[in-house]
Amino acid sequence: AAGVIQSPRHLIKEKRETATLKCYPIPRHDTVYWYQQGPGQDPQFLISFYEKMQSDKGSIPDRFSAQQFSDYHSELNMSSLELGDSALYFCASSLFGLARETQYFGPGTRLLVL
Amino acid sequence: GENVEQHPSTLSVQEGDSAVIKCTYSDSASNYFPWYKQELGKRPQLIIDIRSNVGEKKDQRIAVTLNKTAKHFSLHITETQPEDSAVYFCAAINPPRRSGYALNFGKGTSLLVTP
Repeated sequence: AAGVIQSPRHLIKEKRETATLKCYPIPRHDTVYWYQQGPGQDPQFLISFYEKMQSDKGSIPDRFSAQQFSDYHSELNMSSLELGDSALYFCASSLFGLARETQYFGPGTRLLVL
Repeated sequence: GENVEQHPSTLSVQEGDSAVIKCTYSDSASNYFPWYKQELGKRPQLIIDIRSNVGEKKDQRIAVTLNKTAKHFSLHITETQPEDSAVYFCAAINPPRRSGYALNFGKGTSLLVTP
C-alpha cells in the first residue's frame, strides 16, 4: 500500500539559511499534519491542513510557514534557520471521515543546521 | 490543551515476558488514544488505537485498555520478542476543533527485550 512520502530525507543547512520540506500524503488522504521531533524527545505538533486550509496550529515558530496544495501535498518552509531547528520533521496524513483521527507518518526529513 | 503523562520512561523485560506501559491524560473530552512504536531514526508506526466508547481492544500480542473515569490507558504486550525493542509513544487527541486532530504525545517508553 502507498505510504506518506517526504522529501528530502536528509538536509544540511547553515544558520540563517532557508529550507523547504515536502510531504505527499497517502492517496485520497485530505489532511496533513507536521510534527517536529528533537533527539530523544516526543514528536511536537506544528501545524495541520485540511482541504488546503490551515486547520490547527501548534508550536510552530513564526519563521516557519506551510501550505497545502490542490493535489494535497504540503510544504513546510523554514527561514532564518537556527541550530535548535535541527530535528526530524515528520509529516502525517489522514482521511477526513469516520477514522479521521488515525494518522500515518511518513519516513521523516532529518534536518541538520550547522 | 491536553497533557499526556507516560510511565515508565524505560522498561527492560526478558523475552517471553509481558510488558505494560501506562499513560494518563488530563482532558476528559479527549476521545482517541493511539499507540505508536518508533525504532531509532524511523517513523512512528501506529500499532493499535482505541476510542473512548471502547474499554479494551486486542490485536494478537498487543492490547490496549482504557479507563475513562480515571483518565488512563495502558498498552500490554504479551510474549515479548527482541524485535519489540523500540520506543513506544502513547498519544491523545486534542478536543476536536475545526478540522484538526493534532496528537499530543507522551514522553515515550524505551522498551528493551533481552533474549
